[in-house]
Order: sequence, then structure tokens, then C-alpha cells
Amino acid sequence: AQSVTQLDSQVPVFEEAPVELRCNYSSSVSVYLFWYVQYPNQGLQLLLKYLSGSTLVKGINGFEAEFNKSQTSFHLRKPSVHISDTAEYFCAVRHTGTASKLTFGTGTRLQVTL
Amino acid sequence: DTGVSQNPRHKITKRGQNVTFRCDPISEHNRLYWYRQTLGQGPEFLTYFQNEAQLEKSRLLSDRFSAERPKGSFSTLEIQRTEQGDSAMYLCASSQDRGSYNEQFFGPGTRLTVL
Repeated sequence: AQSVTQLDSQVPVFEEAPVELRCNYSSSVSVYLFWYVQYPNQGLQLLLKYLSGSTLVKGINGFEAEFNKSQTSFHLRKPSVHISDTAEYFCAVRHTGTASKLTFGTGTRLQVTL
Repeated sequence: DTGVSQNPRHKITKRGQNVTFRCDPISEHNRLYWYRQTLGQGPEFLTYFQNEAQLEKSRLLSDRFSAERPKGSFSTLEIQRTEQGDSAMYLCASSQDRGSYNEQFFGPGTRLTVL
């Protein structure tokens, strides 16, 4: 079984400041790692994913994340946030086998203000 | 292709009533998933289909819940004798089986409120 811990339920940040959203996971098997964004009253949109290879992955909207196997972390970063980045962000894991279900963290609310 | 669609977007019902939600996946996606998201939580897996076969069910899916995908295209999720604890956002996702990695595309969700 897998589990995901998002350490911060809310992260307030000023526009143009950098941000890091933390994610730690636990799994006894190999996993794929994901970050999703959810805007109000909308479904989930994939920001980026780690499948294999380079531990630094880049996604949409200027976000990037780094996979750290020894620390079982997959923190999300953006060097300069915009008001439009205000949303809920979910970290998720999935077994690398053909089983497909995603296991999500509880989410981090990113609130960007002027 | 307009993506995954779900209907209705919102449903308000009284406790004890039955409700049914529909999900239309991206065409030609053979996998379809249902998740439930309660307030302040991340989505939790309920069940998934490959074509018309229901291959996995979470223990969250009590006897009052039933999901179908009769022709391997759209899917329905029915909740019988709704309870206030069923209030949540029900998300549907679909993917195309391409080996070990299959990106799941999510619909906008159906928000259920049980009074």
C-alpha cells in the first residue's frame, strides 16, 4: 500500500515570490509520482509527473518538482508565482505495475496575494 | 475531443433517496475510474473498469454503491438510500491502456449534497 503526506494544508505567498509545496510518500514498491492542480469547481489537471530518469521534472505553468528517493519526497516548486496560481495542489502516487489507482495526499491550498 | 464529461454537475437530494451520476470518458479510452473527494481531503479511489469489466473496488464502496459500464463506454455510479456522509465530489477519470503508464484525465466532477 502507498500513502502520501502533504505537510502544509495552506501556503500563503505574495505574488512573484518563490514557493515550495512539500510532499512525502511511503511505499513498499516502486511508484510513479504526480502533482495535480484543482481550481475551484473544476476537476484535476496534471501539472507534472515523475516516471523514471532525471529526478528534476518540469511541468506546465512554470512548475517543477524534484524526486528524492532517499528522503521519499517529491516537492513542488515555482520560482515566481502569479495570482492565477491560487488553487489546491495534490500530490499523488501510483504503483508502477499495471494497477492504475492513484493515491492522493490531502492537498495544499496555495493562496497568492498582491 | 472535449475531454471527460460528468452529469449532473451538482445534485442535491434528501437523505434516503437514490441518485445516479453519469461519466462519459474520452472516446477510445478503455479505462474508467471513479474517485470520491470529501471537503478538505484528496480524492479517494472507489473503483475502476477496463472496458466493461469492473476490475477493482475499494472498501469505501459500500453495498449501497454500484457502478456499471455496460458497453465499455459511459459509466454510471448509483448510490442507494443516500446518507449525509455521502456528500462529496464524485470524480471520474479515464485513460488509454498503453502499457505501464496511463495518464488519467479527470472530469469536472459531480458535487452531491445530501440534506
